[in-house]
Amino acid sequence: GESVGLHLPTLSVQEGDNSIINCAYSNSASDYFIWYKQESGKGPQFIIDIRSNMDKRQGQRVTVLLNKTVKHLSLQIAATQPGDSAVYFCAEKKTNRDDKIIFGKGTRLHILP
Amino acid sequence: DSGVTQTPKHLITATGQRVTLRCSPRSGDLSVYWYQQSLDQGLQFLIQYYNGEERAKGNILERFSAQQFPDLHSELNLSSLELGDSALYFCASSELSGTGTLSGNTIYFGEGSWLTVV
Repeated sequence: GESVGLHLPTLSVQEGDNSIINCAYSNSASDYFIWYKQESGKGPQFIIDIRSNMDKRQGQRVTVLLNKTVKHLSLQIAATQPGDSAVYFCAEKKTNRDDKIIFGKGTRLHILP
Repeated sequence: DSGVTQTPKHLITATGQRVTLRCSPRSGDLSVYWYQQSLDQGLQFLIQYYNGEERAKGNILERFSAQQFPDLHSELNLSSLELGDSALYFCASSELSGTGTLSGNTIYFGEGSWLTVV
């Protein structure tokens, strides 16, 4: 079925440490994956994306890893800062005739001082 | 600022009423998406339009409808409102509709319209 899920609903990380947020997807036909950050009262904000022909992509302080064998996606945030506190969503897209993007339920990242 | 504009930001209405949410996509974006986000729920895809045509449909109720106009702005119409329709409704836009460049597939969200049905 269609499902993009997250292993942990809440993740608490010490400020300055690295954060790893995980996501499992179920549709092997998905070929595009995105991570979004949603701060309280705001719309989801694009962080980074990756296509299925890649296994790693780096941005500024963030890295997305894709393991197609086990249908697993992760977002790594280096040197986590208080401003990283938010809910993080992974999403998958099926780039066929049906273009809808499916979002997971989200993981709340809590930064400990 | 994503460049996607949604109005109104907040709306309170009674059950049985009808409301229209409006969205202006980023300049140059041809695709518009509508999502619903309820408390403790993820983003539920409702519908997508590309250059005026319906492209994909998700879990959109029959009481809801949308359209995209020639100037590419979009409206989401919610009718016969029920208490359970209270949610945050997001519009998003992207450059392309399907396969394309990595960046062209990215969708950018507006700040949302808070709908409260009382």
